[in-house]
Amino acid sequence: GESVGLHLPTLSVQEGDNSIINCAYSNSASDYFIWYKQESGKGPQFIIDIRSNMDKRQGQRVTVLLNKTVKHLSLQIAATQPGDSAVYFCAESPNSGGYNKLIFGAGTRLAVHP
Amino acid sequence: SQTIHQWPATLVQPVGSPLSLECTVEGTSNPNLYWYRQAAGRGLQLLFYSVGIGQISSEVPQNLSASRPQDRQFILSSKKLLLSDSGFYLCAWSVRLVEKLFFGSGTQLSVL
Repeated sequence: GESVGLHLPTLSVQEGDNSIINCAYSNSASDYFIWYKQESGKGPQFIIDIRSNMDKRQGQRVTVLLNKTVKHLSLQIAATQPGDSAVYFCAESPNSGGYNKLIFGAGTRLAVHP
Repeated sequence: SQTIHQWPATLVQPVGSPLSLECTVEGTSNPNLYWYRQAAGRGLQLLFYSVGIGQISSEVPQNLSASRPQDRQFILSSKKLLLSDSGFYLCAWSVRLVEKLFFGSGTQLSVL
């Protein structure tokens, strides 16, 4: 069935470096993708999203890249800060209609070291 | 601005006891409402969603039920909790026909 997965379960980076978190999806019919950040004991927070008619979208210090050919999504965080330490989830929407279904990946933990 | 409230933040319940978790949304009308469960160190599993008052759809068979008595109120219930019901429960809302979800702060449920 459809699935959204992540290549790396844990990513450790030095403060100030750029981080890249990867995500693979399997449903070629998905037309919307989204990244969330979840700090321990809290609900997920929206970071950035992208539609399938785009291949790149930038926010503040974050960039999402979408490669539909290989069904790959990535989140780039520039100048990573200690406050970026969290679990990051990607999710896809398979355009099921009727309601807004998001299928979430297992998550990647980002650890930022000083 | 829109806000979502979810309570309680933590809950410890004995096996076989009932459960009621409540979620309310402010600042919007006719939202889609969702209940997700997250096992420790895992992703989010959709349990229920609702597109309107009294309209509940279940994604997975389970020991839980949901109700939407008012437009911006979503309740997760169980008559008898199981050990396997332990987890982090998240309520979320979205604008109708828009995919982006906004999550509450979650309830950590421990069934002992």
